[in-house]
Amino acid sequence: GAGVSQSPSNKVTEKGKDVELRCDPISGHTALYWYRQRLGQGLEFLIYFQGNSAPDKSGLPSDRFSAERTGESVSTLTIQRTQQEDSAVYLCASSPRGRSNTGELFFGEGSRLTVL
Amino acid sequence: EDQVTQSPEALRLQEGESSSLNCSYTVSGLRGLFWYRQDPGKGPEFLFTLYSAGEEKEKERLKATLTKKESFLHITAPKPEDSATYLCAVRGYGGSQGNLIFGKGTKLSVKP
Repeated sequence: GAGVSQSPSNKVTEKGKDVELRCDPISGHTALYWYRQRLGQGLEFLIYFQGNSAPDKSGLPSDRFSAERTGESVSTLTIQRTQQEDSAVYLCASSPRGRSNTGELFFGEGSRLTVL
Repeated sequence: EDQVTQSPEALRLQEGESSSLNCSYTVSGLRGLFWYRQDPGKGPEFLFTLYSAGEEKEKERLKATLTKKESFLHITAPKPEDSATYLCAVRGYGGSQGNLIFGKGTKLSVKP
């Protein structure tokens, strides 16, 4: 597809379970971002990958959160021992080389996570 | 701490009734201010980037302006299809390229 693809689109899990969220960026985009959008709140930065550089993990809220990226391709966000406050829409975005500074991020439709 | 505040939280307009949305920000050195549009159930869609006070950008019925403390998104003669949540974000020198600070958004409803 032409856009950023995220899966699953919806995930319901029980407190304490681990979840994995997947992001397929637009082909050729070197930068990849994860943001979280909780109900009634603004988007919160989680992590940023740029090419082969070390990722910026400064937004990850706790050590239960981790993310990996395979080269300049797919990324997986993992949340271990989920808590109810982790319930949110997790948004992935990508941008092409040299365009990160313009702030033009291409977002996917998000993965809605509900922790019961 | 970098911060973005948007007002109003919600705005209802009649078709053709022009108005403005506000984005106030505090940031340790502005590297860019960004406007996005978000439709229900969708990811945000990029609209504009502004870099310095006095700069303006236009796209169809939308015009974004920037001062040293705030940005306005002016909507001229809106149509129902302009209904969406409009998000403002900033990037400061204290964060990485990927770290945009977003406001909570203004939900715009345009009635025919």
